Amino acid sequence: EDQVTQSPEALRLQEGESSSLNCSYTVSGLRGLFWYRQDPGKGPEFLFTLYSAGEEKEKERLKATLTKKESFLHITAPKPEDSATYLCAVQESGGGADGLTFGKGTHLIIQP
Amino acid sequence: EPEVTQTPSHQVTQMGQEVILRCVPISNHLYFYWYRQILGQKVEFLVSFYNNEISEKSEIFDDQFSVERPDGSNFTLKIRSTKLEDSAMYFCASSEPGGNGYTFGSGTRLTVV
Repeated sequence: EDQVTQSPEALRLQEGESSSLNCSYTVSGLRGLFWYRQDPGKGPEFLFTLYSAGEEKEKERLKATLTKKESFLHITAPKPEDSATYLCAVQESGGGADGLTFGKGTHLIIQP
Repeated sequence: EPEVTQTPSHQVTQMGQEVILRCVPISNHLYFYWYRQILGQKVEFLVSFYNNEISEKSEIFDDQFSVERPDGSNFTLKIRSTKLEDSAMYFCASSEPGGNGYTFGSGTRLTVV
């Protein structure tokens, strides 16, 4: 069973059409939940880290929220340059649990 | 803005050959990582490295893989005898103490033929 599940797999929006991406996770203890943006052929670009339920972070048109079971990445009035794959990853708490477990991502396309 | 640098950007190698992928992490970071992404699949953790030793490794990181920090700036991933299934993008990442947001490099695309 996947620890990190992202939905939808792909999303096509018109420019200016707001929406939300979902990341549900199952870990015994959460040290942090990370959101990244990945452009084709590039490495993941860090967006946010969330640590506890109720926490929210914003950056330009993006806002990330966290509950005990899932995180949402809200995108408000997106522009074509927001087109990318958005990755969610979790880091478990506990000794030596350094690695991030990634979801498969949501491929977002913003049409002009 | 500081960045993680990876070389080469592309490498083609024959099955059974050894390859070394190189990374220069951000200078004040203390934690270093390797991840891989097979085409069309998710990013997978390979290994973390701190204080000149492996901190954690995944099931993927078997005996054919090794990591090294040969000097104060470079961090390398060696694959001893490459297999076709090792073809993937390999990403290096580094983080500050506390791991608040890893910075990833642009990756090395490894193709094993």
